[in-house]
Amino acid sequence: KQEVTQIPAALSVPEGENLVLNCSFTDSAIYNLQWFRQDPGKGLTSLLLIQSSQREQTSGRLNASLDKSSGRSTLYIAASQPGDSATYLCAVVSTGGTSYGKLTFGQGTILTVHP
Amino acid sequence: DTGVSQDPRHKITKRGQNVTFRCDPISEHNRLYWYRQTLGQGPEFLTYFQNEAQLEKSRLLSDRFSAERPKGSFSTLEIQRTEQGDSAMYLCATTPLGGRIRETQYFGPGTRLLVL
Repeated sequence: KQEVTQIPAALSVPEGENLVLNCSFTDSAIYNLQWFRQDPGKGLTSLLLIQSSQREQTSGRLNASLDKSSGRSTLYIAASQPGDSATYLCAVVSTGGTSYGKLTFGQGTILTVHP
Repeated sequence: DTGVSQDPRHKITKRGQNVTFRCDPISEHNRLYWYRQTLGQGPEFLTYFQNEAQLEKSRLLSDRFSAERPKGSFSTLEIQRTEQGDSAMYLCATTPLGGRIRETQYFGPGTRLLVL
């Protein structure tokens, strides 16, 4: 059974800092890994999707890496801003069995960027 | 706004009552998922539809839960005899026509359920 863990559970940083969020998964047989953002009381917004054959993806100030063999991914946020404050969720689609593309999520990292 | 809509956005009910949620997917998205998210946790998979066929159900989906997707368009999730433990955010997500597993999922805003 796939399990996804995110560290740290919460992070508070001053504006302008670069930061790294960590995600690990127990089964390396995955189709892809995704990072989502969730604002309080809202749905999820996809930030980056990394296919199993890829090593990293970049979008603006965000960079996500994937090391499938070790079961790890990191989300790097450059020059953080107060508007980045949200919960960041990591999720994988596993290849085993009848996954039908369902996502297995970590518990999230709550990020607070203060001015 | 991803284009996936859910109704209602909030629902307060008393224990023992039945509730029904609706999800309207992006047009022509043939894959539809329901997830449940409790406070401080990531979403957990509940069930999956490909067009109108319900192909997978999680063990989290007890007999009190039923989901439908008539004609492969909108979907409904019904909870009968609600319990306080059902209080959560219920999220719907869809993926594009062709439904390749490598595509991202587009999430709706969710329905927040509170059972008193």
